[in-house]
Amino acid sequence: DADVTQTPRNRITKTGKRIMLECSQTKGHDRMYWYRQDPGLGLRLIYYSFDVKDINKGEISDGYSVSRQAQAKFSLSLESAIPNQTALYFCATSASANYGYTFGSGTRLTVV
Amino acid sequence: GQNIDQPTEMTATEGAIVQINCTYQTSGFNGLFWYQQHAGEAPTFLSYNVLDGLEEKGRFSSFLSRSKGYSYLLLKELQMKDSASYLCAVTPNYGGSQGNLIFGKGTKLSVKP
Repeated sequence: DADVTQTPRNRITKTGKRIMLECSQTKGHDRMYWYRQDPGLGLRLIYYSFDVKDINKGEISDGYSVSRQAQAKFSLSLESAIPNQTALYFCATSASANYGYTFGSGTRLTVV
Repeated sequence: GQNIDQPTEMTATEGAIVQINCTYQTSGFNGLFWYQQHAGEAPTFLSYNVLDGLEEKGRFSSFLSRSKGYSYLLLKELQMKDSASYLCAVTPNYGGSQGNLIFGKGTKLSVKP
């Protein structure tokens, strides 16, 4: 099994719909992150969490919310999806500042 | 502010050597990572530099100069499978967000036969 699992892998949804992307990890790490990646813009941080009771906004949190259900689970929600949220979304985990990230395989989301 | 610059695209020939540069300006600095990302896939860890100098790992080497805010990734004996994007990422060292990587936009490397 993968260290970091994201579901779904691909999703097409309609404008205005609520959608949840899920992430679970078996690394035992406290730190979890959600990024989106767009062509030409690189990886941009949406939300991050350093433990179950700690949730922080990243640089592009508007239109998104998160839930840290357990140390191993961190989900990202789009309350009312819009077309410019079409992107590749990555979840990542980290043990600490000096250990880098382990990424999930990504969720390709298309909002039509 | 935070700024990480790397070239958008590079092309090289199979068997050759290529150097991908990265310059950074961040509020504090802990270390610098290089990741490889094939199209549509997750980034995977290549290297981590904290101290000045060259770190060699097989065909890949990474260099860091903290005083110049500069790093490069050196790929030797290029293979077709090295065609990918290479992401430079910096760990700043300030406040509560310590440990959050800041990524450059990536350099797309195309290896030609």
